[in-house]
Amino acid sequence: DVHLVESGGGLVKPGGALRLSCAASEFMFSTYTINWVRQAPGKGLEWVSYISSGSNYIYYADSVKGRFSISRDNANNSVFLHMSSLRAEDTAVYYCVRLVGTTHKYYFDSWGQGTLVTVSS
Amino acid sequence: SYVLTQPPSMSVAPGQTARITCGGNNIGFYSVHWYQQKPGQAPVVVVHDDSDRPSGIPERFFGSNSGNTATLTISRVEAGDEADYYCQLWNSTSDHPGVFGTGTKVTVL
Repeated sequence: DVHLVESGGGLVKPGGALRLSCAASEFMFSTYTINWVRQAPGKGLEWVSYISSGSNYIYYADSVKGRFSISRDNANNSVFLHMSSLRAEDTAVYYCVRLVGTTHKYYFDSWGQGTLVTVSS
Repeated sequence: SYVLTQPPSMSVAPGQTARITCGGNNIGFYSVHWYQQKPGQAPVVVVHDDSDRPSGIPERFFGSNSGNTATLTISRVEAGDEADYYCQLWNSTSDHPGVFGTGTKVTVL
């Protein structure tokens, strides 16, 4: 079974920074696109960021663009989300998610358990 | 950016049929996927590519998509189907390609 494990969440003050990690196993990590999806408490799912298998293509939601940075280390089967200038509205569970499918038909087939980020003074 | 609209909630009696809609401009041109999320758990895909079911998902879950509305139909609803459901599509022409619907909470009476 595909395994994705997030870590690095916690309590951080507004304006602070945090780095989330996602460790992947049980699949050929270097050939898959990985995304981050977040969910604020009691709210819906929000797509956050995308990184292609070779890091050639990277995208961000407008809500985090310029503040978050996604990267990956294929040698160590890991993806990272560097978050800075954090705001209260960034408070959410952050999921590391594998993207599968064909062009124009991509979907998220495997999700980690999520890591909670709380931005509060 | 592309917007997907779902009804916030619905209630259905056991054994009845639940129809969850996902509205978007010409959504029929896209492939739509559906996720089920139970409290405290990560979402699970129940339908992908409009109407395909992953292995292990019961045939009671059926998806369709046409025009401006995609629909997830759950027939013979069971107590275990109580969850939040989200539609999703991938807008490849956008710099913000990942799009989720607003979510529907399904309550089994």
